[in-house]
Amino acid sequence: DIVMTQSPDSLAVSLGERATINCKSSQSVLHTSTNKNSLAWYQQKPGQPPKLLINWASTRESGVPDRFSGSGSGTDFTLTISSLQAEDVAVYYCHQYFSTPTFGGGTKVEIK
Amino acid sequence: EVQLVESGGDFVQPGGSLRLSCVASGFTFSGSWMTWVRQAPGKGLEWVAHISPDGGQKYYVDSVKGRFTISRDNAKNSLSLQMSSLRAEDTAMYYCVRDCRWGQGTLVTVSS
Repeated sequence: DIVMTQSPDSLAVSLGERATINCKSSQSVLHTSTNKNSLAWYQQKPGQPPKLLINWASTRESGVPDRFSGSGSGTDFTLTISSLQAEDVAVYYCHQYFSTPTFGGGTKVEIK
Repeated sequence: EVQLVESGGDFVQPGGSLRLSCVASGFTFSGSWMTWVRQAPGKGLEWVAHISPDGGQKYYVDSVKGRFTISRDNAKNSLSLQMSSLRAEDTAMYYCVRDCRWGQGTLVTVSS
């Protein structure tokens, strides 16, 4: 199975500042035939299911604010929140669907 | 709009059985791989099982093999998870997932 390693485990950022979350996969999740990475990012707030923010590593889901962006390819990926808002406090997960699905351990984002 | 509605979660004693259901709408269910993912209280996300569009291919996480059975009824747009020999460690919110879109979940609690 592909192991997804997220860092950091938690992150405290001031309102309006940038938050960066990293995710590393133990093997590439890039489909060379399509040049697409099978990598998604989710936001989860207490008592709610995970909400899809980004899939294919960098495609923002409809309705997701443009302060959320995804980047990376192969084995190294990043979720960036360009200007943290109070409503962004949540746990964020990466997820690979290249093979049997696996998830990162989560990153808790808080306000400093 | 994709809608996934889970049901069937309950409080059950160790060794007991439970059947979870997920009713889908808003997409072509019969053409979709479907997945169950669980989340233990305060923990991360764990893929449990997934099933091919025609039901002919089924895959399970090692910890549930031989105890859980995933199935589907394409005529009813319905996905199921039959759970037996339940253990305390199966306690979790169980989510029905299709293409990174999640239902609200149904809670399974295994305890004496």
